Amino acid sequence: EPEVTQTPSHQVTQMGQEVILRCVPISNHLYFYWYRQILGQKVEFLVSFYNNEISEKSEIFDDQFSVERPDGSNFTLKIRSTKLEDSAMYFCASSENPTGLNYEQYFGPGTRLTVT
Amino acid sequence: AQSVTQLDSQVPVFEEAPVELRCNYSSSVSVYLFWYVQYPNQGLQLLLKYLSGSTLVESINGFEAEFNKSQTSFHLRKPSVHISDTAEYFCAVSFHYGGSQGNLIFGKGTKLSVKP
Repeated sequence: EPEVTQTPSHQVTQMGQEVILRCVPISNHLYFYWYRQILGQKVEFLVSFYNNEISEKSEIFDDQFSVERPDGSNFTLKIRSTKLEDSAMYFCASSENPTGLNYEQYFGPGTRLTVT
Repeated sequence: AQSVTQLDSQVPVFEEAPVELRCNYSSSVSVYLFWYVQYPNQGLQLLLKYLSGSTLVESINGFEAEFNKSQTSFHLRKPSVHISDTAEYFCAVSFHYGGSQGNLIFGKGTKLSVKP
């Protein structure tokens, strides 16, 4: 069964450093998403991406964040200058048509980001 | 405002007992509804979903959920739980309006703890 993959599984970085989290969505999916889950809290939507541009973003997704689809397979989330409060599990997801009859989002296993 | 509420943060039950995990949402537009399960140190797995049609949906491992539009609820039930059902359960809603890309709004999660 096709699946969403994410690398690395765990990233440790120092405050102020840039990090790039990588995701490979399911190959025939066209819609891509990033979510984060701070330890002990709920999963929060960050951004959705379609047709090589951001479709929607939440208040969390400020200027420190950016997303990119650099080639035909990868979907990345960049945090330009990490803060302690960016420590969280970051989930990538992908889907087919969000209004389709079989709509669901497929989630990757997550990248645990630890900012020290 | 659109929101998802899971009132119970923790639900302890004994093995083979029935369980209900509650989920309510607030929306002025049509919705798709999902339950995701997260086992310790793992990612999010789709348990079941309601998109349209029959308001009662079932998973392969005995869970079911019923969409109640008048009460704006999507409660998750299982008539007899197993130790292996111990996990955190997240209700998620996708709100549909013009231009929506299907991003999910999650509830805070309910930790189901099944005791022998």
